[in-house]
Amino acid sequence: GAGVSQTPSNKVTEKGKYVELRCDPISGHTALYWYRQSLGQGPEFLIYFQGTGAADDSGLPNDRFFAVRPEGSVSTLKIQRTERGDSAMYLCASSLYQPQHFGDGTRLSIL
Amino acid sequence: ELKVEQNPLFLSMQEGKNYTIYCNYSTTSDRLYWYRQDPGKSLESLFVLLSNGAVKQEGRLMASLDTKARLSTLHITAAVHDLSATYFCAVDMGSNYKLTFGKGTLLTVNP
Repeated sequence: GAGVSQTPSNKVTEKGKYVELRCDPISGHTALYWYRQSLGQGPEFLIYFQGTGAADDSGLPNDRFFAVRPEGSVSTLKIQRTERGDSAMYLCASSLYQPQHFGDGTRLSIL
Repeated sequence: ELKVEQNPLFLSMQEGKNYTIYCNYSTTSDRLYWYRQDPGKSLESLFVLLSNGAVKQEGRLMASLDTKARLSTLHITAAVHDLSATYFCAVDMGSNYKLTFGKGTLLTVNP
């Protein structure tokens, strides 16, 4: 079956711009997670959705980052006023139970 | 704050040899996960260890969990080139969703 799908696979933008990253989870998975992975590091938790609501957004680094999941399926991670330090791989995962199943990620580069 | 430490961070092995990767974590947890990541790809779930003394094997890989020692091991038997990848352990501190990852072990198996 289809896995977790993330688009775009790569995003290059200028500092200060707004970006949206999309995640389409595995069908039927109620839980959705966003992680950020810097080069040479493990993924770091950003936010967790159970259904439509953000159950834990404690990993979002600041208020420039926001995520939604309005219908309990597709999620969008939104970053305002991007900074060079936001450059990383953004991973989405979904699950019904554990383990979490990861998508291929969006590589975000801020110039 | 939960800390997860893997060692070694880099491992170069010859085909046919055995080796062990270690994952230590700093607070009580009885849920530990091992993932594999190929370059430019997402994370693939390898093992889910849910109790003290859990041992799981798949092919040339075997994972174990000692919750009292806060230690998990990933043992590689008779390594082959196809095992070359980065291996991550991740710990759930009881939330059942928020994973804290180690930095990963980059494994290179040489012919």
